[in-house]
Amino acid sequence: DQQVKQNSPSLSVQEGRISILNCDYTNSMFDYFLWYKKYPAEGPTFLISISSIKDKNEDGRFTVFLNKSAKHLSLHIVPSQPGDSAVYFCAASAKAGGTSYGKLTFGQGTILTVHP
Amino acid sequence: DAGVTQSPTHLIKTRGQQVTLRCSPKSGHDTVSWYQQALGQGPQFIFQYYEEEERQRGNFPDRFSGHQFPNYSSELNVNALLLGDSALYLCASSLSGPNSPLHFGNGTRLTVT
Repeated sequence: DQQVKQNSPSLSVQEGRISILNCDYTNSMFDYFLWYKKYPAEGPTFLISISSIKDKNEDGRFTVFLNKSAKHLSLHIVPSQPGDSAVYFCAASAKAGGTSYGKLTFGQGTILTVHP
Repeated sequence: DAGVTQSPTHLIKTRGQQVTLRCSPKSGHDTVSWYQQALGQGPQFIFQYYEEEERQRGNFPDRFSGHQFPNYSSELNVNALLLGDSALYLCASSLSGPNSPLHFGNGTRLTVT
């Protein structure tokens, strides 16, 4: 049961253009969403997050959009740079124990390649 | 400020053996989680430790066990290794409060032959 899905295994973008990575989820209990970036031989690095009480969060070149009715979130990278080439994972969490967040459920990842 | 550190970086074991992986959390973090990442997949949650107790567990058999020490460091133990246990094992640390992003180590690559 894949509760978080990234349906595009890969995305190729020209430097300077916008990269849009998509993620869908099925569990309506998820209320906190995150994006991670992973380079080869390194662990995932936290990029940006969004709580379900918001529909948009920005941090520099990165913006995450959340559409709760569609159970869909997306990550926009503008402008894209060659150093952004990596695997991007979306992840979701539901409140556990009433006060803190336990496990993250990850998508399968999307390989982003930004060409110079 | 040291991030999450894991040891060893690579490990080769034989089917049926036991393995222990180690993790030191990021300074100031008190919660440690372990994930298994198979090739081409996203990380899968194994369990989380807080205050030396297992707080939440994913869908992994009892062969997977863990421990958290008073200094917040943690170990992941896997008994009776199977070929399917070959994966990248990631440790992540965080603060115990809500909306605290996980910070991951670089992982331990386990190969079971």
